[in-house]
Amino acid sequence: KQEVTQIPAALSVPEGENLVLNCSFTDSAIYNLQWFRQDPGKGLTSLLLIQSSQREQTSGRLNASLDKSSGRSTLYIAASQPGDSATYLCAVQGSWGKLQFGAGTQVVVTP
Amino acid sequence: DTAVSQTPKYLVTQMGNDKSIKCEQNLGHDTMYWYKQDSKKFLKIMFSYNNKELIINETVPNRFSPKSPDKAHLNLHINSLELGDSAVYFCASSARAGPGAGSNEQFFGPGTRLTVL
Repeated sequence: KQEVTQIPAALSVPEGENLVLNCSFTDSAIYNLQWFRQDPGKGLTSLLLIQSSQREQTSGRLNASLDKSSGRSTLYIAASQPGDSATYLCAVQGSWGKLQFGAGTQVVVTP
Repeated sequence: DTAVSQTPKYLVTQMGNDKSIKCEQNLGHDTMYWYKQDSKKFLKIMFSYNNKELIINETVPNRFSPKSPDKAHLNLHINSLELGDSAVYFCASSARAGPGAGSNEQFFGPGTRLTVL
């Protein structure tokens, strides 16, 4: 049974510092991994999708790596800003598009 | 705007009532999903439809019945609502999903916050 864990559960950093968010999963038989952002009371915004054959994916200040064999992904956010404050969720995808989510990392970036 | 939309945004109702949540996507996707986010913020898949056909049904009580009238719509009807059904329900869509493969990127709607009193 697939289990997805995100560490830390919460993170507070001063503006300008780089953010490192970790995601681990127990079953390496995944098709892809997706990182989302959720603002309070809002829906999920897709940030990055990494296919199982890829090692990393980049979008602007965001970079996500994937090591499928060890069951790990890391999301890096460079030069954090107060607007980056949100909960970040990782999800691994199995057959038929089924996403299994971690519990999230709540990030606060202080000015 | 191209997006996944849900109605209503908020739903407050009494225990025992029947209610429906509607979802529409105009992204031209084949596959749609329902996810539940409980009070601890944990997200879990409930159902998935691929081209109007049910492909995922995750041990959800049969009081929950999804219906997909066409590829662009996936509705969720809940009978005999219970206190434990209080949650945020998210609809999502993706381009395609297959038995031996994952799907493309999934896009989520804004959620429907259901409160059962």
